[in-house]
Amino acid sequence: KAGVTQTPRYLIKTRGQQVTLSCSPISGHRSVSWYQQTPGQGLQFLFEYFSETQRNKGNFPGRFSGRQFSNSRSEMNVSTLELGDSALYLCASSLGTGNEQYFGPGTRLTVT
Amino acid sequence: QKEVEQNSGPLSVPEGAIASLNCTYSDRGSQSFFWYRQYSGKSPELIMSIYSNGDKEDGRFTAQLNKASQYVSLLIRDSQPSDSATYLCAVNGGNTPLVFGKGTRLSVIA
Repeated sequence: KAGVTQTPRYLIKTRGQQVTLSCSPISGHRSVSWYQQTPGQGLQFLFEYFSETQRNKGNFPGRFSGRQFSNSRSEMNVSTLELGDSALYLCASSLGTGNEQYFGPGTRLTVT
Repeated sequence: QKEVEQNSGPLSVPEGAIASLNCTYSDRGSQSFFWYRQYSGKSPELIMSIYSNGDKEDGRFTAQLNKASQYVSLLIRDSQPSDSATYLCAVNGGNTPLVFGKGTRLSVIA
């Protein structure tokens, strides 16, 4: 069974730009969660989608948004990028909230 | 605010020894508990899940849960240099998102 895939794997953007990251969950998984990981803050929860509905949202500004499509694929968007947005963005899929989550390889975003 | 606490380490153990990793959590209503291993530059990999009090063994790994003490641990027997990584504890309370600890860095010395 194929794992979670994320594209792109690496991104370099300039302050003020916007970026869209994509995540394809494990087949049959309907829940997708997004996390930001930085050395100082660890894994920070961004949001969770289940069957195209946002179920939970973390404590991030409105510049961070996401959506989920009918095939369970998910995208997250960050607008007006700031230097502090440089991080590893991880997507995890699961059968549902509270179930085991499986992570994709991540997207390394660098904002200059 | 729900919190998950782990000692950041590094925890250094000799090859072949038992590594003991600990985690405490604040939400008494937590129901699901997970251990992830993360190698440097890689994404977290699920290695154990535990849902009820007691021990759960999988190969060289044993997860232990004590809900009364709000404590979960991971034992790694016969530690190998390849076990050197950061171990993340994650806790979930039903319909709430997973809360991760900041991880414990384990170093197994050959």
